[in-house]
Amino acid sequence: DAMVIQNPRYQVTQFGKPVTLSCSQTLNHNVMYWYQQKSSQAPKLLFHYYDKDFNNEADTPDNFQSRRPNTSFCFLDIRSPGLGDAAMYLCATSRDAVNTEAFFGQGTRLTVV
Amino acid sequence: AQKVTQAQTEISVVEKEDVTLDCVYETRDTTYYLFWYKQPPSGELVFLIRRNSFDEQNEISGRYSWNFQKSTSSFNFTITASQVVDSAVYFCALGSSNSGYALNFGKGTSLLVTP
Repeated sequence: DAMVIQNPRYQVTQFGKPVTLSCSQTLNHNVMYWYQQKSSQAPKLLFHYYDKDFNNEADTPDNFQSRRPNTSFCFLDIRSPGLGDAAMYLCATSRDAVNTEAFFGQGTRLTVV
Repeated sequence: AQKVTQAQTEISVVEKEDVTLDCVYETRDTTYYLFWYKQPPSGELVFLIRRNSFDEQNEISGRYSWNFQKSTSSFNFTITASQVVDSAVYFCALGSSNSGYALNFGKGTSLLVTP
C-alpha cells in the first residue's frame, strides 16, 4: 500500500494560474519534503517541514509556497506558474533528519501551457 | 560545499551481465550519510541503502552490493546478474548533519537492461 500519496499524478495548468499539489502520508513521519525534478536532472529540495516548522531552501523562488495543516498532509502552492516551473514535483517524508531514509511519493508531473 | 558526481549518464547492458554504477562525493563534514535511490519509470524514488560515514563495511543484499571507500570518497553500487526490471535511473545522494535536511543528489545514471 502506498505510504506517500501525491495527487494528482498529472497536472496541467495555465501560465500564471495558481495551482496546488497535494501530498499525504500514512507513516506519521515528522518531516515532509517537497522536491522539484526537471527532466533528466536530479531532484532539488524546495523546502521541508519538521512537524510544523517550515524551512525554505535559500534558492527556492518566492513563487513557491507550502502548507502543512496537520501531520498527514502537505501542500505545494505555485502562485504564478511559469513555463520554467514545468517539472516533476516529488513529496517525501522521513521520521527524522537526513540520517533517516526518506520515502517518496510517485510525484506530480506539472505541465504549464 | 557538498557534491555528488555520477559520471555515468547512461549505461546499457544485456540481461545477466554485472554492472557497477559509480558515485563519488565531496564533503567537509566528518559525519555524513550516503544513499542510493532507484527511480523506475513510474516516477517514485525507491530507497535502496543508507550508509553513515563511520561504517565502511560493504553490504550485499541479494543481487545488489555496495562498496564504500572513504579513501577515494566513493560509494559504488553493483548489480549482479542484471534483469530487465533493474532498468531505471539510479541516484546517489549525500546528506550531513551540517547540511540541514537537504539531500544532495547526483545527476543520476540511467540503466537500461535489455533481454
